[in-house]
Amino acid sequence: DAGVIQSPRHEVTEMGQEVTLRCKPISGHDYLFWYRQTMMRGLELLIYFNNNVPIDDSGMPEDRFSAKMPNASFSTLKIQPSEPRDSAVYFCASRLSSANIQYFGAGTRLSVL
Amino acid sequence: AQSVTQLDSHVSVSEGTPVLLRCNYSSSYSPSLFWYVQHPNKGLQLLLKYTSAATLVKGINGFEAEFKKSETSFHLTKPSAHMSDAAEYFCVVSDRVSGTYKYIFGTGTRLKVLA
Repeated sequence: DAGVIQSPRHEVTEMGQEVTLRCKPISGHDYLFWYRQTMMRGLELLIYFNNNVPIDDSGMPEDRFSAKMPNASFSTLKIQPSEPRDSAVYFCASRLSSANIQYFGAGTRLSVL
Repeated sequence: AQSVTQLDSHVSVSEGTPVLLRCNYSSSYSPSLFWYVQHPNKGLQLLLKYTSAATLVKGINGFEAEFKKSETSFHLTKPSAHMSDAAEYFCVVSDRVSGTYKYIFGTGTRLKVLA
């Protein structure tokens, strides 16, 4: 298996623009997680899905952030409008419900100018 | 409530000498504990996992960790550091709460290996 695939790897955008980050989980995994990593706050869980349904979005910073999982093999994290403080590395992870191990993608480095 | 504390933000060792990365946790139940490694510009990779079986857990690349309930610790060790071990290491505690797993990540320890 190719592992968790995230795209793009790098994104540079201007303040106010819409940003969409994409994630393809490992085939067969039924949990999907979105994390944000910054120097100041470390790794933060933003939201996670089980069987494509959002279970806990309490980590989503504000209404500018939204996440969807239209099917078992694809999820998006959207920021609209983006702000410089959103600059971070965003990770996607997936796991099987029968195994408590998360597998991480390589991340998307977002820079908002 | 769960929490995890990585006691050192930076550790430097010489190549060939032992590595010790310290982690203390707090959990209301019987937790699962993990160590992940993150190399520069890469995602997190699982090193090892403890889930209430043997207290000494062996992982990849020669790393191991010992679960000590009395000390609420899960320190990561390696007998001999290699240059390729230079990376950031995260200790993670996971509990099953209300039917689902919660994960708490430590703040990370950056390991530097000197030639």
